[in-house]
Amino acid sequence: EAQVTQNPRYLITVTGKKLTVTCSQNMNHEYMSWYRQDPGLGLRQIYYSMNVEVTDKGDVPEGYKVSRKEKRNFPLILESPSPNQTSLYFCASRGQGIRFGYNEQFFGPGTRLTVL
Amino acid sequence: SQKIEQNSEALNIQEGKTATLTCNYTNYSPAYLQWYRQDPGRGPVFLLLIRENEKEKRKERLKVTFDTTLKQSLFHITASQPADSATYLCALPSSGNTGKLIFGQGTTLQVKP
Repeated sequence: EAQVTQNPRYLITVTGKKLTVTCSQNMNHEYMSWYRQDPGLGLRQIYYSMNVEVTDKGDVPEGYKVSRKEKRNFPLILESPSPNQTSLYFCASRGQGIRFGYNEQFFGPGTRLTVL
Repeated sequence: SQKIEQNSEALNIQEGKTATLTCNYTNYSPAYLQWYRQDPGRGPVFLLLIRENEKEKRKERLKVTFDTTLKQSLFHITASQPADSATYLCALPSSGNTGKLIFGQGTTLQVKP
């Protein structure tokens, strides 16, 4: 089954304690990205990757890091989480096809993060 | 930069009626536009795509229109059911062919039995 998986699904942590949210896709997609979703603000892109070892900032990258060492994995790292990073996070992937022409985006199930 | 406007107010309709959701964009006309469904606490799921040269697209009870003159897409659900209750997001590609999709904030649909 084609899917994007994320772990953990729920996480409660404390300010300053480094954490990693994993993301993996089994569709051989080139493009992967991370979003956060907050009430009233919609989906905001944090980082994206167009292929292995190619990453770039999205709209709200401050306080986050990513890496893309393998095509299937795209972990999100919070080096020193703060309460304003409490949010619902989604990983997504998309096939490049003919330069992304018309391809749908697949989302993971989400990670609900609370930073105390 | 491209901006998407979806009605932030929830849409409440009676079961069996047609729901119509609006997506307006403000800048360049995209090559295509996509619609997604999102249930509370879950990831968005792709529903339909419509290309700039298509006026209308249908899939079962869903219909999407695309008017590049008005810079607007309409999303219709006919014979709506309580199970259609969800938030519906429209998305369109950002400029530069980077693969990035820009999402609207979504409109929440509530279908009452």
